[in-house]
Amino acid sequence: QQQVKQSPQSLIVQKGGISIINCAYENTAFDYFPWYQQFPGKGPALLIAIRPDVSEKKEGRFTISFNKSAKQFSLHIMDSQPGDSATYFCAASMDSGYSTLTFGKGTMLLVSP
Amino acid sequence: DTEVTQTPKHLVMGMTNKKSLKCEQHMGHRAMYWYKQKAKKPPELMFVYSYEKLSINESVPSRFSPECPNSSLLNLHLHALQPEDSALYLCASSHPPGTLNTGELFFGEGSRLTVL
Repeated sequence: QQQVKQSPQSLIVQKGGISIINCAYENTAFDYFPWYQQFPGKGPALLIAIRPDVSEKKEGRFTISFNKSAKQFSLHIMDSQPGDSATYFCAASMDSGYSTLTFGKGTMLLVSP
Repeated sequence: DTEVTQTPKHLVMGMTNKKSLKCEQHMGHRAMYWYKQKAKKPPELMFVYSYEKLSINESVPSRFSPECPNSSLLNLHLHALQPEDSALYLCASSHPPGTLNTGELFFGEGSRLTVL
Protein backbone atom coordinates (compact mmCIF):
# COMPACT_ATOMS: atom_id res chain seq x y z
CA GLN A 1 0.00 0.00 0.00
CA GLN A 2 1.26 3.44 -0.84
CA GLN A 3 1.83 5.30 2.39
CA VAL A 4 3.60 8.36 3.62
CA LYS A 5 4.11 8.51 7.38
CA GLN A 6 4.50 11.96 8.91
CA SER A 7 5.59 13.04 12.37
CA PRO A 8 5.06 14.75 14.70
CA GLN A 9 1.29 15.24 14.63
CA SER A 10 1.70 18.65 16.27
CA LEU A 11 4.61 20.89 17.07
CA ILE A 12 5.10 24.01 19.17
CA VAL A 13 8.20 26.09 18.50
CA GLN A 14 9.29 29.42 19.88
CA LYS A 15 9.75 32.35 17.54
CA GLY A 16 13.21 32.20 16.03
CA GLY A 17 13.57 28.47 16.59
CA ILE A 18 13.90 25.63 14.10
CA SER A 19 10.83 23.58 13.18
CA ILE A 20 11.51 20.05 11.93
CA ILE A 21 8.90 17.74 10.42
CA ASN A 22 9.75 14.26 9.24
CA CYS A 23 8.24 11.92 6.65
CA ALA A 24 8.95 8.38 5.55
CA TYR A 25 7.67 6.55 2.51
CA GLU A 26 7.52 2.97 1.37
CA ASN A 27 7.01 3.01 -2.39
CA THR A 28 10.37 3.33 -4.14
CA ALA A 29 8.55 4.38 -7.32
CA PHE A 30 7.82 7.77 -5.78
CA ASP A 31 9.97 10.40 -7.42
CA TYR A 32 8.45 13.72 -6.43
CA PHE A 33 8.22 14.89 -2.82
CA PRO A 34 6.42 18.19 -2.14
CA TRP A 35 5.52 19.92 1.07
CA TYR A 36 2.21 21.75 1.22
CA GLN A 37 1.27 24.47 3.70
CA GLN A 38 -2.35 24.98 4.65
CA PHE A 39 -3.78 27.84 6.68
CA PRO A 40 -7.23 27.50 8.30
CA GLY A 41 -10.00 28.03 5.77
CA LYS A 42 -7.61 27.92 2.81
CA GLY A 43 -6.55 25.30 0.33
CA PRO A 44 -3.09 23.72 0.50
CA ALA A 45 -0.32 25.64 -1.25
CA LEU A 46 2.98 24.23 -2.47
CA LEU A 47 5.81 25.32 -0.21
CA ILE A 48 8.82 23.48 -1.57
CA ALA A 49 9.46 20.21 -3.41
CA ILE A 50 12.37 17.88 -4.14
CA ARG A 51 13.20 15.04 -6.50
CA PRO A 52 15.41 12.07 -5.52
CA ASP A 53 18.42 13.18 -7.53
CA VAL A 54 19.36 15.76 -4.87
CA SER A 55 19.79 15.38 -1.12
CA GLU A 56 18.84 18.89 -0.10
CA LYS A 57 16.92 21.86 -1.43
CA LYS A 58 16.71 25.25 0.18
CA GLU A 59 14.32 28.11 -0.52
CA GLY A 60 14.65 30.99 1.89
CA ARG A 61 14.01 29.75 5.42
CA PHE A 62 12.66 26.40 4.19
CA THR A 63 14.89 23.38 3.52
CA ILE A 64 14.04 19.85 2.45
CA SER A 65 16.52 17.12 3.37
CA PHE A 66 16.15 13.87 1.44
CA ASN A 67 17.64 10.46 2.27
CA LYS A 68 16.91 8.07 -0.58
CA SER A 69 18.44 4.99 1.05
CA ALA A 70 16.41 5.49 4.22
CA LYS A 71 13.31 6.53 2.26
CA GLN A 72 12.92 9.58 4.46
CA PHE A 73 12.62 13.29 3.91
CA SER A 74 12.18 16.22 6.23
CA LEU A 75 11.24 19.87 6.27
CA HIS A 76 13.29 22.35 8.28
CA ILE A 77 11.94 25.83 8.93
CA MET A 78 14.70 28.12 10.14
CA ASP A 79 13.99 31.23 12.22
CA SER A 80 10.36 30.15 12.62
CA GLN A 81 7.84 32.99 12.73
CA PRO A 82 4.27 33.21 14.09
CA GLY A 83 3.11 33.58 10.48
CA ASP A 84 4.44 30.08 9.80
CA SER A 85 1.75 28.65 12.11
CA ALA A 86 -0.21 26.33 9.82
CA THR A 87 -0.70 22.68 8.98
CA TYR A 88 2.08 21.14 6.90
CA PHE A 89 1.55 18.09 4.71
CA CYS A 90 4.33 16.10 3.16
CA ALA A 91 3.39 14.19 0.04
CA ALA A 92 4.76 11.93 -2.63
CA SER A 93 3.84 11.06 -6.18
CA MET A 94 5.11 9.27 -9.25
CA ASP A 95 6.16 11.55 -12.05
CA SER A 96 4.92 9.15 -14.68
CA GLY A 97 1.31 9.68 -13.70
CA TYR A 98 -1.06 12.43 -12.80
CA SER A 99 -0.25 14.64 -9.85
CA THR A 100 -2.16 12.29 -7.58
CA LEU A 101 -0.41 13.02 -4.35
CA THR A 102 -0.21 10.58 -1.46
CA PHE A 103 -0.31 12.85 1.57
CA GLY A 104 1.05 12.37 5.06
CA LYS A 105 -1.42 12.95 7.89
CA GLY A 106 -0.21 16.47 8.52
CA THR A 107 1.58 18.39 11.25
CA MET A 108 -0.03 21.34 13.02
CA LEU A 109 2.73 23.85 13.70
CA LEU A 110 2.30 26.62 16.24
CA VAL A 111 5.03 29.21 16.52
CA SER A 112 4.70 31.08 19.78
CA PRO A 113 5.62 34.79 19.85
CA ASP B 1 -4.30 34.90 -4.49
CA THR B 2 -5.14 31.43 -5.77
CA GLU B 3 -5.52 30.98 -9.52
CA VAL B 4 -8.06 28.22 -9.01
CA THR B 5 -11.41 29.72 -8.07
CA GLN B 6 -14.11 27.74 -6.32
CA THR B 7 -17.73 28.68 -5.69
CA PRO B 8 -19.55 28.75 -3.42
CA LYS B 9 -17.17 29.12 -0.47
CA HIS B 10 -19.83 27.76 1.88
CA LEU B 11 -22.85 25.55 1.17
CA VAL B 12 -25.46 24.12 3.50
CA MET B 13 -27.83 21.55 2.06
CA GLY B 14 -30.38 19.01 3.16
CA MET B 15 -30.12 15.34 2.32
CA THR B 16 -32.77 15.64 -0.40
CA ASN B 17 -31.30 18.71 -2.10
CA LYS B 18 -29.42 18.88 -5.39
CA LYS B 19 -26.56 21.36 -5.53
CA SER B 20 -23.35 21.90 -7.47
CA LEU B 21 -19.83 23.03 -6.67
CA LYS B 22 -17.95 24.92 -9.35
CA CYS B 23 -14.27 25.35 -10.10
CA GLU B 24 -12.50 27.49 -12.68
CA GLN B 25 -8.85 27.85 -13.65
CA HIS B 26 -7.17 29.97 -16.30
CA MET B 27 -3.65 28.59 -16.13
CA GLY B 28 -3.99 26.46 -19.26
CA HIS B 29 -3.94 23.27 -17.23
CA ARG B 30 -5.60 20.27 -18.85
CA ALA B 31 -5.80 18.10 -15.73
CA MET B 32 -8.31 18.95 -13.00
CA TYR B 33 -9.00 17.23 -9.72
CA TRP B 34 -11.57 17.00 -6.94
CA TYR B 35 -10.31 16.28 -3.43
CA LYS B 36 -12.30 15.88 -0.20
CA GLN B 37 -10.81 17.01 3.08
CA LYS B 38 -12.22 16.31 6.52
CA ALA B 39 -11.16 18.35 9.51
CA LYS B 40 -7.58 17.73 10.63
CA LYS B 41 -7.07 15.17 7.85
CA PRO B 42 -5.15 15.28 4.57
CA PRO B 43 -6.97 15.77 1.28
CA GLU B 44 -8.32 12.58 -0.30
CA LEU B 45 -8.50 12.23 -4.08
CA MET B 46 -11.97 11.78 -5.56
CA PHE B 47 -11.74 12.36 -9.33
CA VAL B 48 -9.22 13.31 -12.01
CA TYR B 49 -10.09 14.75 -15.40
CA SER B 50 -7.56 14.92 -18.21
CA TYR B 51 -8.38 16.77 -21.43
CA GLU B 52 -12.00 16.99 -20.24
CA LYS B 53 -12.30 13.21 -19.90
CA LEU B 54 -12.69 11.37 -16.59
CA SER B 55 -9.43 9.51 -16.00
CA ILE B 56 -9.61 8.49 -12.36
CA ASN B 57 -12.57 7.79 -10.08
CA GLU B 58 -11.46 6.73 -6.63
CA SER B 59 -14.57 4.59 -6.03
CA VAL B 60 -16.61 7.64 -5.10
CA PRO B 61 -20.34 7.07 -4.38
CA SER B 62 -22.66 7.96 -7.25
CA ARG B 63 -24.28 10.73 -5.18
CA PHE B 64 -21.20 12.71 -6.27
CA SER B 65 -21.25 13.35 -10.03
CA PRO B 66 -18.35 15.24 -11.65
CA GLU B 67 -18.53 17.13 -14.90
CA CYS B 68 -15.90 18.91 -16.98
CA PRO B 69 -17.71 21.16 -19.51
CA ASN B 70 -14.49 22.60 -20.93
CA SER B 71 -10.79 22.86 -20.20
CA SER B 72 -11.26 25.67 -17.66
CA LEU B 73 -14.29 24.45 -15.72
CA LEU B 74 -14.95 21.58 -13.36
CA ASN B 75 -18.22 20.92 -11.56
CA LEU B 76 -19.23 18.53 -8.82
CA HIS B 77 -22.94 17.77 -8.72
CA LEU B 78 -24.30 16.72 -5.36
CA HIS B 79 -27.49 14.74 -4.77
CA ALA B 80 -28.90 12.84 -1.79
CA LEU B 81 -25.84 13.45 0.33
CA GLN B 82 -25.37 12.17 3.85
CA PRO B 83 -24.25 14.18 6.91
CA GLU B 84 -20.91 12.33 6.80
CA ASP B 85 -20.27 13.95 3.42
CA SER B 86 -19.80 17.27 5.19
CA ALA B 87 -16.25 18.36 4.41
CA LEU B 88 -14.08 20.84 2.55
CA TYR B 89 -14.13 20.05 -1.16
CA LEU B 90 -10.98 21.14 -2.94
CA CYS B 91 -10.49 21.61 -6.63
CA ALA B 92 -7.00 21.47 -8.09
CA SER B 93 -5.35 21.64 -11.47
CA SER B 94 -2.07 20.72 -13.11
CA HIS B 95 -0.52 20.01 -16.46
CA PRO B 96 -1.32 16.42 -17.47
CA PRO B 97 1.34 13.68 -17.70
CA GLY B 98 3.82 13.81 -20.54
CA THR B 99 3.52 17.55 -21.05
CA LEU B 100 4.72 20.39 -18.85
CA ASN B 101 3.79 18.50 -15.72
CA THR B 102 6.18 19.46 -12.90
CA GLY B 103 4.13 17.48 -10.41
CA GLU B 104 2.75 20.59 -8.75
CA LEU B 105 -0.92 20.72 -7.92
CA PHE B 106 -2.56 24.11 -7.68
CA PHE B 107 -5.41 24.06 -5.19
CA GLY B 108 -8.38 26.37 -4.84
CA GLU B 109 -9.52 27.58 -1.43
CA GLY B 110 -12.25 24.99 -1.29
CA SER B 111 -16.00 24.85 -0.78
CA ARG B 112 -17.06 24.13 2.79
CA LEU B 113 -20.07 21.78 2.56
CA THR B 114 -22.43 21.06 5.44
CA VAL B 115 -25.11 18.40 4.97
CA LEU B 116 -27.97 18.58 7.45
